[in-house]
Amino acid sequence: NAGVTQTPKFQVLKTGQSMTLQCAQDMNHEYMSWYRQDPGMGLRLIHYSVGAGITDQGEVPNGYNVSRSTTEDFPLRLLSAAPSQTSVYFCASSYSQVLTYNEQFFGPGTRLTVL
Amino acid sequence: GNSVTQMEGPVTLSEEAFLTINCTYTATGYPSLFWYVQYPGEGLQLLLKATKADDKGSNKGFEATYRKETTSFHLEKGSVQVSDSAVYFCALSHNDYKLSFGAGTTVTVRA
Repeated sequence: NAGVTQTPKFQVLKTGQSMTLQCAQDMNHEYMSWYRQDPGMGLRLIHYSVGAGITDQGEVPNGYNVSRSTTEDFPLRLLSAAPSQTSVYFCASSYSQVLTYNEQFFGPGTRLTVL
Repeated sequence: GNSVTQMEGPVTLSEEAFLTINCTYTATGYPSLFWYVQYPGEGLQLLLKATKADDKGSNKGFEATYRKETTSFHLEKGSVQVSDSAVYFCALSHNDYKLSFGAGTTVTVRA
């Protein structure tokens, strides 16, 4: 049981490049989400999904796309990277979207630098 | 909207010292409250939670009590160890799909 896995661990991009951050979970969780972590700002929700084929925007969705074709995978796409997207990105999953009662499990994170 | 404010760090302590990290929140109704911990190089892990007023969450020697009258959820541990060095996040969930996190408090425990 690997839990939530993320690849890559580190990435450096040039402004304007695109890339996909991968996230997978093997716990058969319905709810998955992406956060970015910036100094002094905690974690902010980018996008989330309550099941395969269903996604929605969080607090800071601009510049990011997501899709959920399977229960296990929830990739995050940066369409045209900007320096403001330099951050640490965390993927998380939960048994259900009822986060008031269900623990979220976090991946180890991807540290992204955009030059 | 919902928000969480927690004390700024960094906090540096000696082993066996008492630790308190203050957390206050703004929300309508009765949110659930959480403390997450992030050890160096790792993702966040749930440390403890409380889902209604006056509930006390506890785990690994840490405790926090949900105080609706003061809208607070302060984290405490009576005797910290070097292994408690981490970043601690207070969070709340009012809606079913979102957690609101505080900025995080870095705690360093020296031997």
